[in-house]
Amino acid sequence: DGGITQSPKYLFRKEGQNVTLSCEQNLNHDAMYWYRQDPGQGLRLIYYSQIVNDFQKGDIAEGYSVSREKKESFPLTVTSAQKNPTAFYLCASSPLAGGVKNTEAFFGQGTRLTVV
Amino acid sequence: GENVEQHPSTLSVQEGDSAVIKCTYSDSASNYFPWYKQELGKGPQLIIDIRSNVGEKKDQRIAVTLNKTAKHFSLHITETQPEDSAVYFCAAIGGTSYGKLTFGQGTILTVHP
Repeated sequence: DGGITQSPKYLFRKEGQNVTLSCEQNLNHDAMYWYRQDPGQGLRLIYYSQIVNDFQKGDIAEGYSVSREKKESFPLTVTSAQKNPTAFYLCASSPLAGGVKNTEAFFGQGTRLTVV
Repeated sequence: GENVEQHPSTLSVQEGDSAVIKCTYSDSASNYFPWYKQELGKGPQLIIDIRSNVGEKKDQRIAVTLNKTAKHFSLHITETQPEDSAVYFCAAIGGTSYGKLTFGQGTILTVHP
């Protein structure tokens, strides 16, 4: 089955630790995105990548880092510099090729990160 | 950049009634407007979308309307069912935001049997 897989589903982190959230897609999509969701708020963009080995900051990139070494993978690291990391993190992907500029984004099932 | 406002934040209806959720956007160059449904603990799923060259789109019980002049778009759900209960998000892609969605704040829809 094609889709986006995020792991783990639940993650607990001690203060001061870095953690990495995994996101893998087998949809052959060019673009991948990381969003953060807090209760009662919409999704806010952390980082996005439109092509391998290239990525851009979103609206709330401080305290986060990413890499895009493979088309299928876009891991997100939550660093100790992120002051309020407890949230639900969602990864998405979308195709950018084919002459259609903006198309549907497909989301993973999310990772719930809790700082303990 | 793009800014999307969504109302209401909560909506409670009786089974069989209609539900309407409204969104406004700021970037007149925005050209793609999807609606997502999110169930508890899951990722959002696309339920319907509309492009700026279309005024209305319908898919069974759901429909979306777009008013480019007023820069607002709405989701209409008819004959609501308890399984429609979820959080609904509107989104828009700005003219210079190639692929990047800006989301509204979400609407918690509750359909009472």
